[in-house]
Amino acid sequence: GAVVSQHPSWVICKSGTSVKIECRSLDFQATTMFWYRQFPKQSLMLMATSNEGSKATYEQGVEKDKFLINHASLTLSTLTVTSAHPEDSSFYICSARDRKVTTSTDTQYFGPGTRLTVL
Amino acid sequence: GEDVEQSLFLSVREGDSSVINCTYTDSSSTYLYWYKQEPGAGLQLLTYIFSNMDMKQDQRLTVLLNKKDKHLSLRIADTQTGDSAIYFCAEGEDYKLSFGAGTTVTVRA
Repeated sequence: GAVVSQHPSWVICKSGTSVKIECRSLDFQATTMFWYRQFPKQSLMLMATSNEGSKATYEQGVEKDKFLINHASLTLSTLTVTSAHPEDSSFYICSARDRKVTTSTDTQYFGPGTRLTVL
Repeated sequence: GEDVEQSLFLSVREGDSSVINCTYTDSSSTYLYWYKQEPGAGLQLLTYIFSNMDMKQDQRLTVLLNKKDKHLSLRIADTQTGDSAIYFCAEGEDYKLSFGAGTTVTVRA
């Protein structure tokens, strides 16, 4: 089956530093990747949609200068949390859409998530 | 915005049936989904139902949809220890999904 990996699986950083999270589709090409944020006991909140070779589309309320997204290839998207603060601590999950699958049902494949803790 | 709500916890005895309930607000969704998340793993699509269907059965899984009440449920028959996980209900269009907070299912011996 389709596999999506994320790296790192967890990271602890100091306030004010920047953290980069990678999302890779391992055995398929993904024209579109999605970045979600999940708070404890809360649902996944879509942050942005990342399209290969173009700018990401951010959801309302998500600061694009704070959460930089780059989708430079068909298998890799990165999310950089710039000048991280404790309130950015969360679980970040990516998903990828297989470009070969054209059915109308959702075919997002999810990564295992990255736990970010900002001290 | 769309809201999807589900209860947070469910404890069930091994061998019994589990029923996870979900309510949603966006009636325009063509499909509704159930995802499973095991510890340390990504969300895995379990099953989905087309919005013009009332029921879908897939082996041990039965999905019921009451579109009038905007209520979706997932029944797991003969629940096993491997079914312990967090289950997310989701709805959406064009790959843009809205998720519930997830129901943690604990299977006890």
